[in-house]
Amino acid sequence: DIQMTQSPSSLSASVGDRVTITCRASQAISNYLAWYQQKPGTVPNLLIYAASTLQSGVPSRFSGSGSGTDFTLTISSLQPEDVATYYCQKYNSDPLTFGGGTKVEIK
Amino acid sequence: EVQLLESGGGLVQPGGSLRLSCAASGFTFSSYAMNWVRQAPGKGLEWVSIINYSGANTYYADSVKGRFTISRDNSKNTLYLQMNSLRAEDTAIYYCAKRGDCSGTTCLFFDYWGQGTLVTVSS
Repeated sequence: DIQMTQSPSSLSASVGDRVTITCRASQAISNYLAWYQQKPGTVPNLLIYAASTLQSGVPSRFSGSGSGTDFTLTISSLQPEDVATYYCQKYNSDPLTFGGGTKVEIK
Repeated sequence: EVQLLESGGGLVQPGGSLRLSCAASGFTFSSYAMNWVRQAPGKGLEWVSIINYSGANTYYADSVKGRFTISRDNSKNTLYLQMNSLRAEDTAIYYCAKRGDCSGTTCLFFDYWGQGTLVTVSS
């Protein structure tokens, strides 16, 4: 099975900073990658699919890139409401594996 | 408005069984694959199972294969998860999640999630 590895596992940044989270697949998955945000005590929320397509209603400060095995989620200007854990998920085939998550906090 | 409402969680002893339900509304349920995803306390997300729009095809994570069965009743707009031979490591919030919408043929990401139902396996 393909493994999904996220880095870092946690980060702390200041409001307004550019934040980058990486997700690596153990085998190529084309662009079949989604990103989710889970704020404390809430359900996950879809941010991006097809590696770079922003889900409707998601702020434009979020962006995704990558293809094959290496993917990136970028928050261009970190806001207090972005405090959350972020997960990548591959969906080219079953199992539909999630990465381990990246916890984002405000410094 | 899409709504997914899980029910059926609770406390069960190791080796026991439980049946979860997910009532769907606000979209054409019979047109979409549906999933179960779980999250152990303080841990990350784990995909559990998927069923295609008609119910003819199902897939499972290795961790639950042979113990869990996903099914659906399109006449009732309801998704189910029958969980047998439960173990302590099955303790988690179980979410049902709708397959996403996209222009391609593979849209197996999750665009709507229910609020989840807690399953606790303990003696």
